[in-house]
Amino acid sequence: QVQLRESGPGLVRPSGTLSLTCAVSGGSISSDNWWSWVRQPPGKGLEWIGEIYHSGSTNYNPSLKSRVTISVDKSKNQFSLKLSSVTAADTAVYYCAKSNGRPTARSFDIWGRGTMVTVSS
Amino acid sequence: QSVLTQPPSVSGAPGQRVTISCTGSSSNIGADYDVHWYQQLPGTAPKLLIYRNTNRPSGVPDRFSGSKSGTSASLAITGLQAEDEADYYCQSYDSSLSGSRVFGGGTKLTVL
Repeated sequence: QVQLRESGPGLVRPSGTLSLTCAVSGGSISSDNWWSWVRQPPGKGLEWIGEIYHSGSTNYNPSLKSRVTISVDKSKNQFSLKLSSVTAADTAVYYCAKSNGRPTARSFDIWGRGTMVTVSS
Repeated sequence: QSVLTQPPSVSGAPGQRVTISCTGSSSNIGADYDVHWYQQLPGTAPKLLIYRNTNRPSGVPDRFSGSKSGTSASLAITGLQAEDEADYYCQSYDSSLSGSRVFGGGTKLTVL
């Protein structure tokens, strides 16, 4: 059973870059799956950030695309998120998640436990 | 405002049946793209509850069921139990947003 675990700084300064990593265990990141980041501001709903395939192919939420980079490290079986120029509005719990299937039918079947990131000076 | 619209809250007594709606448009649900549902218990990560409109992952009780028609989808929960109290989210694909995956705003289910 694949398991995901997020890691990274819990506090980021405004205008800085948020950097998180998701470690994949119990399976290979090079399997036929897509790997996503989803965030949830305190007391609010879920927002998809973007996804990556092991080939390096990515898709991003248009509202965040100019600030987001998702990358994959097959040697470490992990993928990463970088979000630049952060503001307080980027304060959220960040989840990594696994999905598969055709683009119009992908659901997130495995989730990490999430990591809280606060943007504050 | 979310691309998919859900009621902010629903409630029901133990044993009752409740439904949660998810209304979209011609660029997502109405385009016949699949709808998925997630349950988020307090303080935990979301859990996949229904995938591709009507399918339950292994381990999800058959008290949970999904349906889709036109530009809307619904999640039904029968035989309501106290442990069903949670937030529920629908999710689909939207072709007007560069192929973005979109969520509903979430519905808080209260078991009375």
